[in-house]
Amino acid sequence: EAGVAQSPRYKIIEKRQSVAFWCNPISGHATLYWYQQILGQGPKLLIQFQNNGVVDDSQLPKDRFSAERLKGVDSTLKIQPAKLEDSAVYLCASSLGSRIYNEQFFGPGTRLTVL
Amino acid sequence: TQLLEQSPQFLSIQEGENLTVYCNSSSVFSSLQWYRQEPGEGPVLLVTVVTGGEVKKLKRLTFQFGDARKDSSLHITAAQPGDTGLYLCAGAPQAGTALIFGKGTTLSVSS
Repeated sequence: EAGVAQSPRYKIIEKRQSVAFWCNPISGHATLYWYQQILGQGPKLLIQFQNNGVVDDSQLPKDRFSAERLKGVDSTLKIQPAKLEDSAVYLCASSLGSRIYNEQFFGPGTRLTVL
Repeated sequence: TQLLEQSPQFLSIQEGENLTVYCNSSSVFSSLQWYRQEPGEGPVLLVTVVTGGEVKKLKRLTFQFGDARKDSSLHITAAQPGDTGLYLCAGAPQAGTALIFGKGTTLSVSS
């Protein structure tokens, strides 16, 4: 079974530029998550999708971050414009969404450096 | 806001030693998971515990969920260099909700 795919793996941009990340979840997984992991910390949820609907985006900085999951499969996360403090690893995870204890499977992440 | 506090933050030990990592909260979680993350990779699920007092073993790793479902521990027996990594605990406040992660414990095992 293929795992969660993410691209790019690394991205370096200047502040105020835009960037987009892509995620392809495990086939059949209805729930998709985007997390931000700053160096030395655990992942922090940015947004959770159930199929193509948003379940939780309470911690998404909506003035600069946006995400979509068209057709309930792939997802993109965009930052526009980027700030220095956005430097982090952006992790995508997916789960079946139907199990009580919600086991999540993570992709390798995209490491973003904002200069 | 529910928080998970992990301790210790860093742990450096010799091969063959035993260690315990703790994950504590003042809130109840419906389930708790432990992940291991290596540099440049995403977290990999080790175990899920859902019942208060539950103990699960995975080879040399023993996981325990507190009776009140507010805390958990990870015990590694006879640590090996391959156990090196970032250990994260994560709790689901309610069934099906997104996980809240602790800050992690960085373990280094030297031979």
